[in-house]
Amino acid sequence: DAGVIQSPRHEVTEMGQEVTLRCKPISGHNSLFWYRQTMMRGLELLIYFNNNVPIDDSGMPEDRFSAKMPNASFSTLKIQPSEPRDSAVYFCASSSLTGSPLHFGNGTRLTVT
Amino acid sequence: KNEVEQSPQNLTAQEGEFITINCSYSVGISALHWLQQHPGGGIVSLFMLSSGKKKHGRLIATINIQEKHSSLHITASHPRDSAVYICAVLSTGGADGLTFGKGTHLIIQP
Repeated sequence: DAGVIQSPRHEVTEMGQEVTLRCKPISGHNSLFWYRQTMMRGLELLIYFNNNVPIDDSGMPEDRFSAKMPNASFSTLKIQPSEPRDSAVYFCASSSLTGSPLHFGNGTRLTVT
Repeated sequence: KNEVEQSPQNLTAQEGEFITINCSYSVGISALHWLQQHPGGGIVSLFMLSSGKKKHGRLIATINIQEKHSSLHITASHPRDSAVYICAVLSTGGADGLTFGKGTHLIIQP
């Protein structure tokens, strides 16, 4: 099993540009989570999906952030327009059942200049 | 909202020492996770527990539901255990997302 796959690993972009982060969960997992990690705030949940349906997006900081899960094997997190304060590491994680162990991707390190 | 506190924030120890990292939370939970974040940034789930104790190799995790407290122990610590250890809780009846502690930065010196 390849685990949770995120791309890109690193993204450097200029303020105002659109950024798209991608995640492929482990096959068979029906819960997918997007987290953001910063030095100041640690790890924070942004949004999670069950069976491709967004369940809780209360952690999404602003309307500039949007997430989709068009099918069970792919999800995107989009920031448009990006701002320097969005610089962080964004993690995707999946699990097979609600409350079961999480499997994390390696993260995408985003730098917005 | 659940408040998760970890202690210590930073810990430096010598190889072979017994390590304890603590986590306390403020409201009832259905599960608690211990995560390990490697220096390269990757995150690995070590344990998920809702009661009692779990052991995996040199790692032991315990939880006391009444006291709202969990500990992660490392026996015979080794430099490769150097990492950030993060406690995360799943609140009872809450959203399925986790609330995270700020992490404990552990350094094991040879």
